[in-house]
Amino acid sequence: DIQLTQSPSSLAASVGDSVTITCRASQTVSVYLHWYQQKPGRAPKLLIFAATTLEPGVPSRFSATGSGTYFTLSIRSLQPEDFASYFCQQTYSASSFGQGTQVEMK
Amino acid sequence: QITLRESGPTLVKPTQTLTLTCSCSGFSLTSSGVGVGWIRQPPGKALEWLGLIYWDDDKRYNSSLRSRLTITKDTSRDQVVLTLTNVAPVDTATYYCAHRGMGDAFDVWGQGTLVAVSS
Repeated sequence: DIQLTQSPSSLAASVGDSVTITCRASQTVSVYLHWYQQKPGRAPKLLIFAATTLEPGVPSRFSATGSGTYFTLSIRSLQPEDFASYFCQQTYSASSFGQGTQVEMK
Repeated sequence: QITLRESGPTLVKPTQTLTLTCSCSGFSLTSSGVGVGWIRQPPGKALEWLGLIYWDDDKRYNSSLRSRLTITKDTSRDQVVLTLTNVAPVDTATYYCAHRGMGDAFDVWGQGTLVAVSS
């Protein structure tokens, strides 16, 4: 089974900051890596699919890079609505999720 | 507009079987490429992928749950059904169903249903 490790587990930032979250896979997942945002009490929302493709309707301040085993999600100029948890998911072999990164307000 | 809605019991006793239904609209369960997945999330914890059923009835399961988990679909009712046998308190979670999009990610999610396993 493919394990996904996200870092950091949590981070504190201010409105206007830029942040980067990483997701490492235990073996290659090619570009079958996706990113979700989740707010408390809500279902996850797809942000990025296929490693780098922005889901329609998602603000362009979100961007992502990576392939193989190393991936990043970046948020440029954090907005109040961006404080949430973020999860990566691989669909290369069956599927699995990372443990999540909580972005908190400093 | 694609929508999914989970339904089922909110409380199940240990050793019983949990059955959840995902009612789908806005797409056909038999259209080429379509998939519906199940994901769960224990309170305060991470998402856990459970399994996926494809338009052609192919299925994929989380290896750690394979012996207890079954996913089926009823195309006449536009529903996908999750069955989890011999439940235990560790199965307490919010259970989500989700639509597999073109990019292989889950692009539309149900609102989730919280299931507690307790005697």
